[in-house]
Amino acid sequence: GQQLNQSPQSMFIQEGEDVSMNCTSSSIFNTWLWYKQDPGEGPVLLIALYKAGELTSNGRLTAQFGITRKDSFLNISASIPSDVGIYFCAGRTYYGQNFVFGPGTRLSVLP
Amino acid sequence: DGGITQSPKYLFRKEGQNVTLSCEQNLNHDAMYWYRQDPGQGLRLIYYSQIVNDFQKGDIAEGYSVSREKKESFPLTVTSAQKNPTAFYLCASSIRGSGTGELFFGEGSRLTVL
Repeated sequence: GQQLNQSPQSMFIQEGEDVSMNCTSSSIFNTWLWYKQDPGEGPVLLIALYKAGELTSNGRLTAQFGITRKDSFLNISASIPSDVGIYFCAGRTYYGQNFVFGPGTRLSVLP
Repeated sequence: DGGITQSPKYLFRKEGQNVTLSCEQNLNHDAMYWYRQDPGQGLRLIYYSQIVNDFQKGDIAEGYSVSREKKESFPLTVTSAQKNPTAFYLCASSIRGSGTGELFFGEGSRLTVL
């Protein structure tokens, strides 16, 4: 099955820095979801996007639904130690029954 | 509290044994899913169900079986036919199986074959 491309694969940043990551697809999606997963835990939904161009925030997190409908972006501002984890995207076409997932971006925050 | 409950969280199995992972949701969601997660890979779909008494194979269904006798329950059996069953298994649900709608996950079950 299709999987999404997600970049970067991993990143190391200093506490207080901003973070950007993105997800791309070969298909046009009508839904993009962003998740955070801690080790040994289930993914937690951060932001859901349903419209091309949509920009949605959740605290220090902001995500955008790309205009082409084939990509999405997640930004984290002023990173803190608890931001450490794996962030991954998921997308679905309008008539698709299932989501496809990116492999994740592993974020490490250095104090 | 509303959510998805998976059990057990950790499970050890000898080769040749079948094991069943439980998934229960009280979100009144129609669609339920089972995913397998391996290090460095995206989630891969094992089985999904859009409605009670109906389910469909996902991308990696071989060696697995499911049932959907109740709306809130979607157990997954890992059979002895699954060649490499050691993995982290995630159950998820959504309000509907197509169009818009968010996907919510349980906390996962880690299966280790000894």
